[in-house]
Amino acid sequence: AQKVTQAQTEISVVEKEDVTLDCVYETRDTTYYLFWYKQPPSGELVFLIRRNSFDEQNEISGRYSWNFQKSTSSFNFTITASQVVDSAVYFCALTNTGGFKTIFGAGTRLFVKA
Amino acid sequence: SAVISQKPSRDICQRGTSLTIQCQVDSQVTMMFWYRQQPGQSLTLIATANQGSEATYESGFVIDKFPISRPNLTFSTLTVSNMSPEDSSIYLCSVHLGHWDTQYFGPGTRLTVL
Repeated sequence: AQKVTQAQTEISVVEKEDVTLDCVYETRDTTYYLFWYKQPPSGELVFLIRRNSFDEQNEISGRYSWNFQKSTSSFNFTITASQVVDSAVYFCALTNTGGFKTIFGAGTRLFVKA
Repeated sequence: SAVISQKPSRDICQRGTSLTIQCQVDSQVTMMFWYRQQPGQSLTLIATANQGSEATYESGFVIDKFPISRPNLTFSTLTVSNMSPEDSSIYLCSVHLGHWDTQYFGPGTRLTVL
């Protein structure tokens, strides 16, 4: 069975603080993809990053960075110098190669205060 | 990337009625997916819609309640039948474009049932 766990329900930070959103996954597949999506108050899902199971290289994109560790089945997301516009719900997700199904974590609601 | 549109963007409906949600993609795709996001919750896959065959429903979802049509490779509809307040959710359609590793979501249909 596949599962994605985002243990942090809500996080509140002050602008310019760094914040890390945790994601732990379970899968029996050897090939899979991990994703992070942002859902602002408007409701639309915004794709942030995709990582395949064979690529453990960490990635940085501007203020965003991702740490993928297969040994701990984790795919954590860090926002550096957070801004009010980062306030949103963030979802971690897992897609297997067979059925094209994507499993979403429960989401972490991030509040960034000015 | 894929451009996905949904109609309506939102609606308020009376209990016992039905609503059909349309999803249009700007390119041909084999599979389209319908998700439900209940208030404050994560996304849950309702069904996978393949062109030319019946939709495949996930556990807890049935065709009588959520009939789906897939008349061609760029369009699908989801009907929410005999609605109750528990059906109040955001309904999103989604596609994998090209490789299965990237998933694109429509803007969602925000449904409120009174």
